Amino acid sequence: DIQMTQSPSSLSASVGDRVTITCRASQSISNYLNWYQQKSGKPPQLLIYAASSLQSGVPSRFSGSGSGTDFTLTISSLQPEDFATYYCQQSFNSPPYTFGQGTLLEIK
Amino acid sequence: QVTLKESGPALVKPTQTLTLTCTFSGFSLTTPEVRVSWIRQPPGKALEWLARIDWDNDKFYSTSLKTRLAISKDTSKNQVLLTMTNMDPVDTATYYCARTLVKSRSSGSYWYFDDWGQGTLVTVSS
Repeated sequence: DIQMTQSPSSLSASVGDRVTITCRASQSISNYLNWYQQKSGKPPQLLIYAASSLQSGVPSRFSGSGSGTDFTLTISSLQPEDFATYYCQQSFNSPPYTFGQGTLLEIK
Repeated sequence: QVTLKESGPALVKPTQTLTLTCTFSGFSLTTPEVRVSWIRQPPGKALEWLARIDWDNDKFYSTSLKTRLAISKDTSKNQVLLTMTNMDPVDTATYYCARTLVKSRSSGSYWYFDDWGQGTLVTVSS
């Protein structure tokens, strides 16, 4: 199975900060990479699919980039509602799909 | 409006078989663009994809759990079922079902989970 590794595992940031989260695949997955946001006690919500396509309704401060094995999720200016856990997930070829271990974004 | 809701026992004993039901509305599992997946999340841990069922009854399973899992559907009831045998305390988790959509482009077909149920917490304990 393809392994997904996120970094950092956690980070602290302030409202207004620019934040970048990295996801690395154990083999090339082209741009078959999705990003999700999960708030405490809630199911995940899709932010980005196909590495850089913004899901409908997601604020434009969220952006994704990358291809091959290295990907990033960037939040251009953190808002209070953005403090959550973020997961990457690959969908290269058929299942099985795999998720990263998550990045907890906390308020500094 | 798309909705999914998981149901099943909150508590199962070790070695028992778990059966969960995902009841959905707002979409049909009869079109190629739509599938349904099960995903779980142990308390405080990461998401783990478990299984997917397609409109044509194709089934896919987690490599590590495939001997214990079975996914099925009842199209007439808009339901997807997941059974997991030989439950163990490490299987304690919130179990989610999620609509799995594809976006087809010239560069490929991109699958993602766009709508999720609220999840159901299953505890495995004697």
